[in-house]
Amino acid sequence: LAKTTQPISMDSYEGQEVNITCSHNNIATNDYITWYQQFPSQGPRFIIQGYKTKVTNEVASLFIPADRKSSTLSLPRVSLSDTAVYYCLVVGANDYKLSFGAGTTVTVRA
Amino acid sequence: SAVISQKPSRDICQRGTSLTIQCQVDSQVTMMFWYRQQPGQSLTLIATANQGSEATYESGFVIDKFPISRPNLTFSTLTVSNMSPEDSSIYLCSVEAGGAETQYFGPGTRLLVL
Repeated sequence: LAKTTQPISMDSYEGQEVNITCSHNNIATNDYITWYQQFPSQGPRFIIQGYKTKVTNEVASLFIPADRKSSTLSLPRVSLSDTAVYYCLVVGANDYKLSFGAGTTVTVRA
Repeated sequence: SAVISQKPSRDICQRGTSLTIQCQVDSQVTMMFWYRQQPGQSLTLIATANQGSEATYESGFVIDKFPISRPNLTFSTLTVSNMSPEDSSIYLCSVEAGGAETQYFGPGTRLLVL
């Protein structure tokens, strides 16, 4: 499993864009980049996944450069309810073993 | 998407006792997973439970301590046996979400062992 590195914490204010960069230098050809969000007292929730370039859904955008050695999760116009821990995972296709790192604690303030 | 429920949501137990945690999903799934999240820590996979076969345990976890049942495609149980305070954690189950590389998680069972 490719090891990932992401910041331990980030602070932001309501309405701002939050960008979390994750490093995964040893990513393999068939690996996908997946992000989960975990609120206090809840299980993690899948938010976005990508292989290369850019992926966007109703929650976030995921930017992946050509070398795929890093990725950036972008949360547009955050609100207080976006305060959570965000986990970056690199997972092989059909690999069910999710390896969670420490995650990034994002705190949004009013 | 899959809706997952866990029982109990939380419990306080005495050391030396055992607790069985139930995980129910609203659709049939092949693969179910059990994780542990110790206080302030990230998630660690305990085992994978497939219906009709023995659970597969990750390094550091053994069947005698964490026996798992998977009687059908919508249900699983995890038992934490002979508990000690070090077993105080949140225990979460998850299921594959279409693609094996994404999973849906239950709300977790918060366990405190005194």
